Amino acid sequence: AQKVTQAQTEISVVEKEDVTLDCVYETRDTTYYLFWYKQPPSGELVFLIRRNSFDEQNEISGRYSWNFQKSTSSFNFTITASQVVDSAVYFCALFMDTGRRALTFGSGTRLQVQP
Amino acid sequence: GEEVAQTPKHLVRGEGQKAKLYCAPIKGHSYVFWYQQVLKNEFKFLISFQNENVFDETGMPKERFSAKCLPNSPCSLEIQATKLEDSAVYFCASSQSPTANQPQHFGDGTRLSIL
Repeated sequence: AQKVTQAQTEISVVEKEDVTLDCVYETRDTTYYLFWYKQPPSGELVFLIRRNSFDEQNEISGRYSWNFQKSTSSFNFTITASQVVDSAVYFCALFMDTGRRALTFGSGTRLQVQP
Repeated sequence: GEEVAQTPKHLVRGEGQKAKLYCAPIKGHSYVFWYQQVLKNEFKFLISFQNENVFDETGMPKERFSAKCLPNSPCSLEIQATKLEDSAVYFCASSQSPTANQPQHFGDGTRLSIL
């Protein structure tokens, strides 16, 4: 069975601070994919990144960066110089190309960025 | 269309009434997924379709929930004899194939409120 754990329920930071959102996953498959989604107060799900299990390179996209470490089964997400518009719930999700073929989501981390 | 279209945005029903939600996948996408997001942010996979055929229904509560994807019609998710616990946001997603190489695109969700 697969599982995604986002231990941080809520994080509050002040604008311009850096913040890291943790994601730990469990799966017995060797081929899998990890995702991050953003859910702003308006409710829609915004796709941020997809990473497959064979690509452990870290990725940077503007103020966003992701650290994938298979050794610790973690896929952490860092926002540099946070902004008020980053306030949202962030979900980490796991996907396997076998079996159910559906996303397994973590419980989300609510990020509040104060001005 | 270029987006997954879910209707209605918000649906209010009294306990025991029927609720029907609709999802029009992106044109050319043959896979449709339904997820339920309850108030504590937990996502639960319900069912998926490959065209009009059920692909995986292992997450579907069989007693009151049913779903269809018929040719040339939006997909639908129907809940009979609704209960308070059915209050949630129901997301539909579509993809070209059930692999992570073709990621799932999410609609904006339907918020179902059972009074």
